[in-house]
Amino acid sequence: EDQVTQSPEALRLQEGESSSLNCSYTVSGLRGLFWYRQDPGKGPEFLFTLYSAGEEKEKERLKATLTKKESFLHITAPKPEDSATYLCAGVNNTDKLIFGTGTRLQVFP
Amino acid sequence: GAGVSQSPRYKVAKRGQDVALRCDPISGHVSLFWYQQALGQGPEFLTYFQNEAQLDKSGLPSDRFFAERPEGSVSTLKIQRTQQEDSAVYLCASSLDGTLGNSPLHFGNGTRLTVT
Repeated sequence: EDQVTQSPEALRLQEGESSSLNCSYTVSGLRGLFWYRQDPGKGPEFLFTLYSAGEEKEKERLKATLTKKESFLHITAPKPEDSATYLCAGVNNTDKLIFGTGTRLQVFP
Repeated sequence: GAGVSQSPRYKVAKRGQDVALRCDPISGHVSLFWYQQALGQGPEFLTYFQNEAQLDKSGLPSDRFFAERPEGSVSTLKIQRTQQEDSAVYLCASSLDGTLGNSPLHFGNGTRLTVT
């Protein structure tokens, strides 16, 4: 069964304290690994797509990386406005997007 | 419009009532998806349209759930005889083409359904 598992469930960081969020996946015929950001009361907002092991993508303080079993979202020197839930999702070989349960990030000034 | 629009934003229904949730996708987007998101969980797939064709409805939890997209644009998710377990946020998303791996989903802000 296709599965995406994210850890930790929640993460509290001081402003400027870098860290990483983990996404482990078992997705048949992975056709893409997506990262989304979700703010309270809003829909998920697209951040990155990764397609193959070794690929990396960056946007401001965020960098996403992909291996054959995991993806990481690295947050460098986070700011309070980075506080949100970060969702990871994999597209399987029937073109279905399988989401993890997310990591709730809180960044304190 | 610039993004995916969903209405209403909030809906309170008494158990047993029927509800209809509307989604206006981004203009020109071929694919449209409905997801259900329970509190503290990730979105779970309900159903998928490519233009007006419903290609996958395997995620609909019961035959009380019905979705349509008659002209390949606006979509409606209907829930008949609502139950308390139907309480959740219902998210609509659209993408430019028919292959998820090629283009990301763009989500609306959802309809929060509360069944009392």
